[in-house]
Amino acid sequence: EAGVAQSPRYKIIEKRQSVAFWCNPISGHATLYWYQQILGQGPKLLIQFQNNGVVDDSQLPKDRFSAERLKGVDSTLKIQPAKLEDSAVYLCASSTRQGVDYGYTFGSGTRLTVV
Amino acid sequence: GENVEQHPSTLSVQEGDSAVIKCTYSDSASNYFPWYKQELGKRPQLIIDIRSNVGEKKDQRIAVTLNKTAKHFSLHITETQPEDSAVYFCAASKTGGFKTIFGAGTRLFVKA
Repeated sequence: EAGVAQSPRYKIIEKRQSVAFWCNPISGHATLYWYQQILGQGPKLLIQFQNNGVVDDSQLPKDRFSAERLKGVDSTLKIQPAKLEDSAVYLCASSTRQGVDYGYTFGSGTRLTVV
Repeated sequence: GENVEQHPSTLSVQEGDSAVIKCTYSDSASNYFPWYKQELGKRPQLIIDIRSNVGEKKDQRIAVTLNKTAKHFSLHITETQPEDSAVYFCAASKTGGFKTIFGAGTRLFVKA
């Protein structure tokens, strides 16, 4: 079974620039999550999709962050404009939600450095 | 808001000893409690989970216990090995993975 694919692996941008991350979940996984993991902290949920609908974006800073999941498969997360405090690893995860196992499968993440 | 507290933040044990990590959650509606292991520079990986209708679950050297009344759950690793060294995260969520909140993590060092 292929895992959760994310790209790019690393990104360095200057503050006020824009950046986008891409995620392709495990085939058949209806639920997709974007998490922000700041160094030394636990992952923090930014947004949760069920198919192509948003079910939780309460912690997404909507003035600068946006995400979409077209056709209920791939997803992109965008930051515009970036701030220094956005430096973190952005993890995408997916899960079946329909089955017994609700555990996530995480992607390798995108390490963002804002300078 | 809802939160998950995790202790200790750092744990150092001798190889072969046991390690225990404890988490407390605030949302009484939480009913699913996974544990993730994250090695340096890698993605978090699910190692064990427990649901609210179960008090204890074991998988080889790792076990998890849940006390719903007290709203706390713990990870137990026996016969620790150097390869167990990593950061461990607990999490609590509601049915369907909604409102999943992670703890801050415990950095476990297993000394050979």
